[in-house]
Amino acid sequence: AQSVTQLDSQVPVFEEAPVELRCNYSSSVSVYLFWYVQYPNQGLQLLLKYLSGSTLVKGINGFEAEFNKSQTSFHLRKPSVHISDTAEYFCAVSDPTGGGNKLTFGTGTQLKVEL
Amino acid sequence: NAGVTQTPKFQVLKTGQSMTLQCAQDMNHNSMYWYRQDPGMGLRLIYYSASEGTTDKGEVPNGYNVSRLNKREFSLRLESAAPSQTSVYFCASRGGGTGATEAFFGQGTRLTVV
Repeated sequence: AQSVTQLDSQVPVFEEAPVELRCNYSSSVSVYLFWYVQYPNQGLQLLLKYLSGSTLVKGINGFEAEFNKSQTSFHLRKPSVHISDTAEYFCAVSDPTGGGNKLTFGTGTQLKVEL
Repeated sequence: NAGVTQTPKFQVLKTGQSMTLQCAQDMNHNSMYWYRQDPGMGLRLIYYSASEGTTDKGEVPNGYNVSRLNKREFSLRLESAAPSQTSVYFCASRGGGTGATEAFFGQGTRLTVV
């Protein structure tokens, strides 16, 4: 069964500092991986996704993530955060076998950017 | 393009009451999902529907039923609401059939059961 672990429930960081949000997944087969962002009182929107190919994936708002198969990780990074990046971030996994319809999310990481 | 529309946005129920949360998408997507979001627990899958006419249980299906009325609509029913079902509920839809596509989310329904 597929699962996602986000070990950090909250990450405080100062504006213009770099940040890394960690995500580890568990699956018996190759997977598709996603990062979503949720701003207060809103639904989720896609930041980026890894399907295959290059392990470094670039997304919107200057975010990027690196897929590491040996460590089963898909950590999200941004070299310099802005106050507007304050939000909750969710890692998600989809198993392409059986149609890949099931989409499983982690528990989320609250990123708080401080001045 | 409206995307995914959920109704209602807010609801307060008394224990034991029933209600149906509505979800509709206008993107011609095959797959639709219902999640609940609780503090510290992320999004947990309640039910999903890979295509019109099919539904499958997710991680937390107890106390809920779903109907995939047609390709556009996927409703979630609480037959006898309990305080443990106080949560924010999100509907999502997804195209394709390989799991490689982005899921689009509604704005959520904030449900309180007293």
